[in-house]
Amino acid sequence: GAVVSQHPSWVICKSGTSVKIECRSLDFQATTMFWYRQFPKQSLMLMATSNEGSKATYEQGVEKDKFLINHASLTLSTLTVTSAHPEDSSFYICSANTQGWSNTEAFFGQGTRLTVV
Amino acid sequence: GENVEQHPSTLSVQEGDSAVIKCTYSDSASNYFPWYKQELGKGPQLIIDIRSNVGEKKDQRIAVTLNKTAKHFSLHITETQPEDSAVYFCAASLTNKLIFGTGTLLAVQP
Repeated sequence: GAVVSQHPSWVICKSGTSVKIECRSLDFQATTMFWYRQFPKQSLMLMATSNEGSKATYEQGVEKDKFLINHASLTLSTLTVTSAHPEDSSFYICSANTQGWSNTEAFFGQGTRLTVV
Repeated sequence: GENVEQHPSTLSVQEGDSAVIKCTYSDSASNYFPWYKQELGKGPQLIIDIRSNVGEKKDQRIAVTLNKTAKHFSLHITETQPEDSAVYFCAASLTNKLIFGTGTLLAVQP
């Protein structure tokens, strides 16, 4: 299957700073990528849909000014957590779909563990 | 919007036994139903999926069944092994947007 890579796999930052997480599709082009957040022992909650060359679509309740998404190329989407606070500590996961494989098969990155201290 | 419920939340079986996890969805328009296995600290891995035009799909020890009328689908794992221990998530999708179930922690006792 296709490979999606996230970087970094874990990050610790101070409260008030910003953190950028990268999501790359390594062997395919992804016009759409998705960002999820997962709290301990909970399910994956969709945060936003990242569209190459256009603005991201955010789910209800997700602050677009706090979670900045940029999808500047067909292989890279970035999520920036701005002015991070301890409550933003979570596991962030991206996924990508390939039109060439199937319209709905998603490939997930390995996740990024964010800890805000 | 779509809502997916998953049961049970935890499941403990003896090695070699079968495990069944069930999910229900609310949006009858959903047409794609994948199952993911997630190990601690890792992203989800697709283990099997089924589309709405199919009632059952099998891949070695893993099978998925779909009942569109009742809007529920199930994951069946036979001959369980300790390495099957993980959290399993079902999901439903219509337009690439996956809505996940709440997850099932499967523990296979040696």
